[in-house]
Amino acid sequence: SQQGEEDPQALSIQEGENATMNCSYKTSINNLQWYRQNSGRGLVHLILIRSNEREKHSGRLRVTLDTSKKSSSLLITASRAADTASYFCATANYGNNRLAFGKGNQVVVIP
Amino acid sequence: EAGVAQSPRYKIIEKRQSVAFWCNPISGHATLYWYQQILGQGPKLLIQFQNNGVVDDSQLPKDRFSAERLKGVDSTLKIQPAKLEDSAVYLCASSGQGGRAGELFFGEGSRLTVL
Repeated sequence: SQQGEEDPQALSIQEGENATMNCSYKTSINNLQWYRQNSGRGLVHLILIRSNEREKHSGRLRVTLDTSKKSSSLLITASRAADTASYFCATANYGNNRLAFGKGNQVVVIP
Repeated sequence: EAGVAQSPRYKIIEKRQSVAFWCNPISGHATLYWYQQILGQGPKLLIQFQNNGVVDDSQLPKDRFSAERLKGVDSTLKIQPAKLEDSAVYLCASSGQGGRAGELFFGEGSRLTVL
């Protein structure tokens, strides 16, 4: 099954800086989603971008999708200590709602 | 709106014992998922239900894992007998239709430790 692969795996930044994470995948997708997971908690949906979209914004989040390169990026602007979490990309195939998750990025925002 | 409920939150068992996890999805969500998340990894889909029918169980180790979703609402995931490598967090998620179709809502997870 296809699976997103995030890069870099771990990121440590100062509060107020921007954090960028990348995700690559192998096959055609219907949509790509980003989720956040705080330590010991479930995953929370952040944003969904469809295969015919190139960029999407939600608050301090900006997601891009390049289907020709089979890659996506998640940008968190003006990071806060509360953004400290693991971030996962997940890809959905056509025809079903099955999501395949990547390994995740650990982001630490230092106050 | 109530979220996805899971229980128990934590379970410790000896290898070869059995364990069961319960999930109550968001009201009205037809699709229910069980994911396994091993420490330091992303969630891996075990089984997907659409109402009370199985859509995808290709990655479910059927010799020891079983799941059911009676009446298309609650679901249980059972492991019997458990192995050391089953130590993980078992996440339940659900999704609905409409404007947020395709978006998964996750529960807090059930953390299993097999000794």
